[in-house]
Amino acid sequence: AQSVAQPEDQVNVAEGNPLTVKCTYSVSGNPYLFWYVQYPNRGLQFLLKYITGDNLVKGSYGFEAEFNKSQTSFHLKKPSALVSDSALYFCAVRGEGTGRRALTFGSGTRLQVQP
Amino acid sequence: AAGVIQSPRHLIKEKRETATLKCYPIPRHDTVYWYQQGPGQDPQFLISFYEKMQSDKGSIPDRFSAQQFSDYHSELNMSSLELGDSALYFCASSRFGDTQYFGPGTRLTVL
Repeated sequence: AQSVAQPEDQVNVAEGNPLTVKCTYSVSGNPYLFWYVQYPNRGLQFLLKYITGDNLVKGSYGFEAEFNKSQTSFHLKKPSALVSDSALYFCAVRGEGTGRRALTFGSGTRLQVQP
Repeated sequence: AAGVIQSPRHLIKEKRETATLKCYPIPRHDTVYWYQQGPGQDPQFLISFYEKMQSDKGSIPDRFSAQQFSDYHSELNMSSLELGDSALYFCASSRFGDTQYFGPGTRLTVL
């Protein structure tokens, strides 16, 4: 079975400061990892993914994520937070060789960026 | 770029009624997925279809059924609705099992 843990229900950061949203995973084989963002009353928007290759993945809106196999983590980062980044962030995992199967999501982390 | 389309966006039903949710995937995407997101919860996988055949099944109640049609659109049929079925229902699509792109969701309220 695969699982994702997002240990923080909420992260607060001041505008202009760097942000990190944490994610750890458990999966058999090599993981396929994703970050999605959800704004109020909206769908899930894809931010970035790790399949293979460089451990630092760059995505949309200036976000990036660092894959760490030894720590089974995939933390989302941004060098300088914007107020408009305030939203709910979900980390998700899919096992290798399960291309058309479900994503397993973490419980979500609410990011609050203060002006 | 074209996105996943879901209809209706909002639906209000009474207990024991039925509901049908529709999903139109991104053009040339071959797989459709359905997820349910309860209030304050993470999305839970219900069911998926690849090339009109059921591909994977999650925690979909027996009261729910789904199918994918020849034009690749999918419908989620929900019968004997219960209060606990009130949730946001997402459809996602992907091509060749790659990244899943989500629609805006249908908010179902059961009274």
